Amino acid sequence: GAGVSQSPRYKVAKRGQDVALRCDPISGHVSLFWYQQALGQGPEFLTYFQNEAQLDKSGLPSDRFFAERPEGSVSTLKIQRTQQEDSAVYLCASSLFQTRRPDTQYFGPGTRLTVL
Amino acid sequence: AQRVTQPEKLLSVFKGAPVELKCNYSYSGSPELFWYVQYSRQRLQLLLRHISRESIKGFTADLNKGETSFHLKKPFAQEEDSAMYYCALSREYGNKLVFGAGTILRVKS
Repeated sequence: GAGVSQSPRYKVAKRGQDVALRCDPISGHVSLFWYQQALGQGPEFLTYFQNEAQLDKSGLPSDRFFAERPEGSVSTLKIQRTQQEDSAVYLCASSLFQTRRPDTQYFGPGTRLTVL
Repeated sequence: AQRVTQPEKLLSVFKGAPVELKCNYSYSGSPELFWYVQYSRQRLQLLLRHISRESIKGFTADLNKGETSFHLKKPFAQEEDSAMYYCALSREYGNKLVFGAGTILRVKS
């Protein structure tokens, strides 16, 4: 079946613009994660949803970052008033469910955001 | 706080040579440890996790709680193993992954 998909794959924004990044998880996956990967670094956690509930947003770097998953499937990560330091690859991952032990996360191809 | 350290940015070996990608972690509880791999132009994918105790593509990794390490090993490297490898940790009942900075493995012919 289809894996996790993300759109757009590339986004160039002028500093100060708002952007919206979309993630389509694997059908039926309950958990959804967003990560930010700066150049030369490993992915860093941003936020986590279980169905439509945002259970952890401790990794969001500022109040300019906002994520939602209103119907428990597709998720959108929005960044307001983009800054150059927001330039990174944004990865989405989904997993089937949260049991007593962490479930395998399946990653999308990422959205490369460049802020000029 | 949880932390994962991969001390080598680049590891270059010849085909057929043994490979060991190092990973050390800091976490006071009982973590779940993972190795993820990203081949050229492909997405990040799970290679193995310690709880499965299985060998994938000839790679194995043993969790050493005394040394807080989870090194990835393969006895004979293949050219198709060339990729970026990330070690990651999750709390025992957690969900988010904490990644290391990654190690590029280059297998030369």
